[in-house]
Amino acid sequence: KQEVTQIPAALSVPEGENLVLNCSFTDSAIYNLQWFRQDPGKGLTSLLLIQSSQREQTSGRLNASLDKSSGRSTLYIAASQPGDSATYLCAVRTYKYIFGTGTRLKVLA
Amino acid sequence: ETGVTQTPRHLVMGMTNKKSLKCEQHLGHNAMYWYKQSAKKPLELMFVYNFKEQTENNSVPSRFSPECPNSSHLFLHLHTLQPEDSALYLCASSQEDRGLYNEQFFGPGTRLTVL
Repeated sequence: KQEVTQIPAALSVPEGENLVLNCSFTDSAIYNLQWFRQDPGKGLTSLLLIQSSQREQTSGRLNASLDKSSGRSTLYIAASQPGDSATYLCAVRTYKYIFGTGTRLKVLA
Repeated sequence: ETGVTQTPRHLVMGMTNKKSLKCEQHLGHNAMYWYKQSAKKPLELMFVYNFKEQTENNSVPSRFSPECPNSSHLFLHLHTLQPEDSALYLCASSQEDRGLYNEQFFGPGTRLTVL
């Protein structure tokens, strides 16, 4: 059974810091992995999608990597800003999407 | 704006009420999903529709009844709910092509409170 874990559950950093969020999954037979952002009480905003054949994707200050063999993905946020404060979720796609519980990020001004 | 809209945004209902949640996607996608998000738990997939056909029912109680009249609209009919059904209900859509799995786009959610 596929399980997705995100560590840490919560993180506070000062503005300007580079940071890494982690996502691990137990079954490497995935089609893709998607990172989302969720603001309090809101829906999910897609950040990056990495297909199983890819190793990384970049969008602006965000870079996501995927290592299927070790069951890991990282989301790198460069030069963090207070507007980056949100919960970050990863989801792996097998025959359906399985979500992690998220990392709640707070960037302090 | 993700191209997926949900109404209502907030709903309070008693355990004997019947209500419906509505989702509409303006992205031309062929698959739609209902998820439940409870506090401190991962998102739980409830139902999946591909080309208007239900392809996944993730052991959801019968008090939740989905309906997909066309590829752009998805409903979740609610009746005789329990207080533990209070949660954020999220709708999503994606374009499912043979051999290619594309990203999901989510609506803003309906915050449901069952009294």
